[in-house]
Amino acid sequence: GNSVTQMEGPVTLSEEAFLTINCTYTATGYPSLFWYVQYPGEGLQLLLKATKADDKGSNKGFEATYRKETTSFHLEKGSVQVSDSAVYFCALSDQGAPMDSSYKLIFGSGTRLLVRP
Amino acid sequence: DTGVSQNPRHKITKRGQNVTFRCDPISEHNRLYWYRQTLGQGPEFLTYFQNEAQLEKSRLLSDRFSAERPKGSFSTLEIQRTEQGDSAMYLCASSFISPEAFFGQGTRLTVV
Repeated sequence: GNSVTQMEGPVTLSEEAFLTINCTYTATGYPSLFWYVQYPGEGLQLLLKATKADDKGSNKGFEATYRKETTSFHLEKGSVQVSDSAVYFCALSDQGAPMDSSYKLIFGSGTRLLVRP
Repeated sequence: DTGVSQNPRHKITKRGQNVTFRCDPISEHNRLYWYRQTLGQGPEFLTYFQNEAQLEKSRLLSDRFSAERPKGSFSTLEIQRTEQGDSAMYLCASSFISPEAFFGQGTRLTVV
């Protein structure tokens, strides 16, 4: 079945450091890929998405590129801030005809990021 | 606020009691999803509705769990005879038949 694997955390960085969080997936067909962020005690917020191979999703300085050949969707940011400290989840959703697809999300186990001043 | 709203935010209950959670989706969204998230893990799919029809249920959704979405608007998730293993964050999400779902802040259940 479909699955998502993320690098384990926590990832601890100093402010302004470069961030990479690895994500690989296993899926049949061509899923949509997402990164969600979760702040302490809160629900999930969509950070960025990509729906087809070679698409680059970007938001708030974060980027991720849909790599079909390596089945990866790594999250990157050039300069992290203390306010980026959170748990980041990679997820996939099936992508078929709208009335035939549940679009349920399959999540990785999350990667905690801690940014120190 | 036009986002997904969940109530209550926190619930503490004794083992064996019944609990019910409510989710109000974004008003124009016709799909509503329930997920469960345990500590240190990613959310896991429980069930989803399109309008008032419940179209899929996960094997995680035991007989003690029931979800409804009357009239295709808000949804409720009820857990009967709660067990300590039910302690988790219960997340609701909504969408308009697309992979992009919007999540509520969740209901954290603690069974003591």
